[in-house]
Amino acid sequence: EVQLLESGGGLLQPGGSLRLSCAASGFAFSSYAMTWVRQAPGKGLEWVSAIIGSGGSTYYADSVKGRFTISRDNSKNTLYLQMNSLRADDTAVYYCAKAILGIYFFDYWGQGTLVTVSS
Amino acid sequence: QSALTQPASVSGSPGQSITISCTATSSDIVGYNYVSWYQQHPGKAPKLMIYDVNRRPSGVSNRFSGSKSGNTASLTISGLQAEDEADYYCSSETSISTFVLFGGGTKLTVL
Repeated sequence: EVQLLESGGGLLQPGGSLRLSCAASGFAFSSYAMTWVRQAPGKGLEWVSAIIGSGGSTYYADSVKGRFTISRDNSKNTLYLQMNSLRADDTAVYYCAKAILGIYFFDYWGQGTLVTVSS
Repeated sequence: QSALTQPASVSGSPGQSITISCTATSSDIVGYNYVSWYQQHPGKAPKLMIYDVNRRPSGVSNRFSGSKSGNTASLTISGLQAEDEADYYCSSETSISTFVLFGGGTKLTVL
């Protein structure tokens, strides 16, 4: 059974940093691209970032480029999102998801972790 | 304003069929080939319902189907059931540096 478990969310002030983790199990982690998608309270889904299975290529939404870094440790079956220079509009539930057929389709999702940026 | 436009809400009675549209309204959406649809119940993670325009993941009911014509993709749900009441999001690749885009979402109400 595929399982994705996010952790690392919390409350922090603008300008702060946070690292999210997503522990994966139940599939060949290194064979699949992974992605982060976020959802601000009461709003729609927003794609944030993706990384291919080897970790050799990464992709970012314009809204987070230069501030967020996606990475993965295939030996630990874990996906990360390092978030720096956080702003109030980064407040959201952050989901990790497993991708299929490249980086465009997300067939399994975690339960999400809430990041709140507020002074 | 997303470059993928969905109706804010649709409704239908049990047993009926409904269609949710997703129109690419920007030149940022080029190709519009990698279309997918997600269902999200309140407080839950999204669930993939349709991918690659019209492919259904294993375990998803055949009451859900996808199609595309020109710059408009559609999700059709036949034989509406109470459990189908949820938010639905379309998604596509883009030609700009944001690689994946979601539509604004459609709230489906089963009357």
